[in-house]
Amino acid sequence: EPEVTQTPSHQVTQMGQEVILRCVPISNHLYFYWYRQILGQKVEFLVSFYNNEISEKSEIFDDQFSVERPDGSNFTLKIRSTKLEDSAMYFCASSGLLAEAYEQYFGPGTRLTVT
Amino acid sequence: AQTVTQSQPEMSVQEAETVTLSCTYDTSESDYYLFWYKQPPSRQMILVIRQEAYKQQNATENRFSVNFQKAAKSFSLKISDSQLGDAAMYFCAYRRGNFNKFYFGSGTKLNVKP
Repeated sequence: EPEVTQTPSHQVTQMGQEVILRCVPISNHLYFYWYRQILGQKVEFLVSFYNNEISEKSEIFDDQFSVERPDGSNFTLKIRSTKLEDSAMYFCASSGLLAEAYEQYFGPGTRLTVT
Repeated sequence: AQTVTQSQPEMSVQEAETVTLSCTYDTSESDYYLFWYKQPPSRQMILVIRQEAYKQQNATENRFSVNFQKAAKSFSLKISDSQLGDAAMYFCAYRRGNFNKFYFGSGTKLNVKP
């Protein structure tokens, strides 16, 4: 069964550094998402992406964040200048056509630690 | 604003017995979808079951069933004949109509005792 994959599984970075989290969504899916989960808190929506543009974003997704689909398979989340509070588990997800997009398929997550 | 609440941070069940995980949500929408996702340790979330708000019949998937009480805004998950492989974190999630954004509860950790 096809799966969403994410790399790396764990990223440690220093405050102020840029990080890129990578995801490979399921190949025939059209919608892509990033969520994050700070330790002990709820999984929170960050952004959705469709047709090469952001379709929705949360208030968390400020100018420090950007997303890109650089080729036909990868979907990336970039944090320009990391802060301590960006430490979290970041989940990528994908789904098919909206009318059928009852569910989102999640990747295993990337644990980001900012020191 | 949409919120999803799971009031049980952790639960335990004996193998082969039945357990019910609770979820309540708050919305003013009439068109929405509800989901239960399972996240085994160090693995990705996978869909367990979903419920369309317009359907009165409770969804069932093998040993998993829901009790959807629309007026009470309650969406509990019942796991029958619990198995060791059911041990995981369970998340309740809400999605509004034609929007893609999911709202998640804080999760319930289910332990299954042999």
